[in-house]
Amino acid sequence: QSVLTQPPSMSAAPGQMVTISCFGSDSNIGSNYVSWYQHLPGTVPKLLIYDDNGRPSGIPGRFSGSKSGTSATLDITGLQTGDEADYYCATWDNSLSAGVFGGGTRLTVL
Amino acid sequence: QLQLVQSGAEVKKPGSSVKVSCKASGDSFGSYSINWVRQAPGQGLEWMGNIIPVFGTTNYARRFQGRVTITADESTVTAYMDLSGLRSGDTAVYYCAKSITMALDVWGQGTTVIVSS
Repeated sequence: QSVLTQPPSMSAAPGQMVTISCFGSDSNIGSNYVSWYQHLPGTVPKLLIYDDNGRPSGIPGRFSGSKSGTSATLDITGLQTGDEADYYCATWDNSLSAGVFGGGTRLTVL
Repeated sequence: QLQLVQSGAEVKKPGSSVKVSCKASGDSFGSYSINWVRQAPGQGLEWMGNIIPVFGTTNYARRFQGRVTITADESTVTAYMDLSGLRSGDTAVYYCAKSITMALDVWGQGTTVIVSS
């Protein structure tokens, strides 16, 4: 069981928007920055969002992050078939003194 | 621009140990943290531990404590992850990744470790 809870799967049509949620607690999301990753099969995970809502250079504006209390969300607008991937949230947990990942959300673009 | 290059694939017997290296090029470790993350077949990403090489401080995920040791050699700009007591469930792709906070922005290419008798 992951410390951070994500929906196992989501699907949406090309061009639509999807919101992936990540639920945690006071000791992790409530106290630390959240990052988001895209992981396509056979490739290296890619940082999409850092520090809750920062976007590294090269990441399209279609990807955005936000946080409220002990939950965080990743929004992807204008979905493309190339967005089909697994998405993970991550943060630090003060109680565990460890990094933690969500269980991952498999996004299908129908 | 920092790049991380990991050592090659390994096949290990149950009960043995594996040591995976992660060499940085293009920059020093600075005050970065080097994290180790793994993905077992059909599973998600799992954080194993990290080290801040300039200080030598480490943190480990509880489920790996006692089995994993993360070290770093600043002179060769190389980090290492040593996992002992290998079992079939340790079969996975192991990644090193650099971060300042928990934003892992530069990743190694991954090292496949297969544990099989």
